[in-house]
Amino acid sequence: DSGVTQTPKHLITATGQRVTLRCSPRSGDLSVYWYQQSLDQGLQFLIQYYNGEERAKGNILERFSAQQFPDLHSELNLSSLELGDSALYFCASSESAGLRETQYFGPGTRLLVL
Amino acid sequence: DAKTTQPNSMESNEEEPVHLPCNHSTISGTDYIHWYRQLPSQGPEYVIHGLTSNVNNRMASLAIAEDRKSSTLILHRATLRDAAVYYCILRDGGRGSNYKLTFGKGTLLTVNP
Repeated sequence: DSGVTQTPKHLITATGQRVTLRCSPRSGDLSVYWYQQSLDQGLQFLIQYYNGEERAKGNILERFSAQQFPDLHSELNLSSLELGDSALYFCASSESAGLRETQYFGPGTRLLVL
Repeated sequence: DAKTTQPNSMESNEEEPVHLPCNHSTISGTDYIHWYRQLPSQGPEYVIHGLTSNVNNRMASLAIAEDRKSSTLILHRATLRDAAVYYCILRDGGRGSNYKLTFGKGTLLTVNP
């Protein structure tokens, strides 16, 4: 158990809908990262937050957005969902944002868009 | 980001050592070498990391070539629980970098009983 929790574990929805994925980082970790894992693209970095502020963006679509709240939990919002958004979404956290910081991953949310 | 090259798959027998290679010929002087693994139906988990010197921890050892263009993750006695995809990742330490992990395809390790 990494100490990172993600809800829900599974999500089934329809095209065009909007969903919110939630992540609670390990106690004391200030940095949260979101990754997407699909069969064709592998594990890809989406976005990073550090202590409530956006720190870095990866290949995140404009339809996707995220935020980190004062209690440090984070939410990833996916809107106008398409079939291709079906994937595993992982959240990771680290103590700070340093180069040597270990990232601890949650169990993921499996999203299926029908 | 500097790239890494790993074999697509490797096979081992239980209780035998496993050497997982990684080539990173374009590594920069400030890049750390990290290894993560992903067990079936789980999120990735940290294994080990290093810069120049060989490193040991309770999970594995990391042997880094003198020129740092390659490294080897060593599992001293493979168990069935070590069956996973192993990712060799360079952490981009350039100025202004974020500290994302850039995953390649990794090596799928199969451990035979």
